Amino acid sequence: GNSVTQMEGPVTLSEEAFLTINCTYTATGYPSLFWYVQYPGEGLQLLLKATKADDKGSNKGFEATYRKETTSFHLEKGSVQVSDSAVYFCALSDMGSQGNLIFGKGTKLSVKP
Amino acid sequence: NAGVTQTPKFQVLKTGQSMTLQCAQDMNHEYMSWYRQDPGMGLRLIHYSVGAGITDQGEVPNGYNVSRSTTEDFPLRLLSAAPSQTSVYFCASRTASTGYATYEQYFGPGTRLTVT
Repeated sequence: GNSVTQMEGPVTLSEEAFLTINCTYTATGYPSLFWYVQYPGEGLQLLLKATKADDKGSNKGFEATYRKETTSFHLEKGSVQVSDSAVYFCALSDMGSQGNLIFGKGTKLSVKP
Repeated sequence: NAGVTQTPKFQVLKTGQSMTLQCAQDMNHEYMSWYRQDPGMGLRLIHYSVGAGITDQGEVPNGYNVSRSTTEDFPLRLLSAAPSQTSVYFCASRTASTGYATYEQYFGPGTRLTVT
């Protein structure tokens, strides 16, 4: 079945450090891929998405590229800020099931000043 | 435009009690869903609906019931609460238009449920 595996945290970085959170997936067909972010005490919100191979999603300095050959969608940011502290979820849309989202387990990021 | 709203924010139940978690959206979205979030487990789909009168099971449906009588509302019922249902519950919605799988889901703020 479809699944998402992402790097488990927690990840602790200093402000202005480079961030990578790895995400790989298993899926039939060509799912859309998403990164959602959850700030403390809040619901999830979309950070970025990519809907086909080689697409790059980007938002707020974050970016991720849909790599079909490696079945990956790694999240990167060149210089993190304290305000980026949150839990990040990689997800795919299950094409065979009404586009239901399948989530990875989440990666908690803490950024220290 | 309130988006997706959930009530209550917090709830404590005793084992065996029943309750309904409320979810409403004002974006005229056909697709609505319920997830539970547990530490180290990510979000897991409980039930979903693609329109009024249509519901289906997700990955972890046991112990939960849903109905969809209107486009706006999608309540989740716990029939007989168990400690294993202690979790944070999120409702989400999305359009079901052509290309639906490429569209984002909008999440509510969550309900934190504790079953003792």
